[in-house]
Amino acid sequence: AQKITQTQPGMFVQEKEAVTLDCTYDTSDPSYGLFWYKQPSSGEMIFLIYQGSYDQQNATEGRYSLNFQKARKSANLVISASQLGDSAMYFCAMREASGYSTLTFGKGTMLLVSP
Amino acid sequence: DVKVTQSSRYLVKRTGEKVFLECVQDMDHENMFWYRQDPGLGLRLIYFSYDVKMKEKGDIPEGYSVSREKKERFSLILESASTNQTSMYLCASTRGQHQETQYFGPGTRLLVL
Repeated sequence: AQKITQTQPGMFVQEKEAVTLDCTYDTSDPSYGLFWYKQPSSGEMIFLIYQGSYDQQNATEGRYSLNFQKARKSANLVISASQLGDSAMYFCAMREASGYSTLTFGKGTMLLVSP
Repeated sequence: DVKVTQSSRYLVKRTGEKVFLECVQDMDHENMFWYRQDPGLGLRLIYFSYDVKMKEKGDIPEGYSVSREKKERFSLILESASTNQTSMYLCASTRGQHQETQYFGPGTRLLVL
């Protein structure tokens, strides 16, 4: 079974609109962390945001926020006021406390922002 | 700033060649990782290392080996490259604290002909 599921292979959004990228996860470990990364066409992986399983509040970093619903095991990324430079692949990843700091990645969602 | 560098951005090799991909980090991180990335499959962990001379298999270690002789350097070796190893290879490192991100290198696009 997949540990990280990103059901949207691609998303389109207009500039200045908000967009939500879905991520669901599967773990029996009570302690885990969830990460979102952005990968532009140049290939580098850029860390966006982190949410710990015990964090009481949803994480926010500038225009990025993480809609964390623990009971539903979802960790959706919300990008507010999309910009053309947000066009990229986005990956959700999970680290379980029982591991060696390894990350399990989803298959990614391609976001295209149009003018 | 953490810096993770990879020896090549692009590499073209022939089937059967031995291929070395080098990764160096400058932040004294204990943990280093090698992933391959293929369209529609996301990133898959090949090998990782949590200390010098230590290595652990990831999800897809077949056809690969690794070497970590120094803390800052983690090498991925394709003993006999095959066309199905054509891929993007990403190296990453982290200290290993639970909330800390992995820091990625720029990636190596390998084409095996």
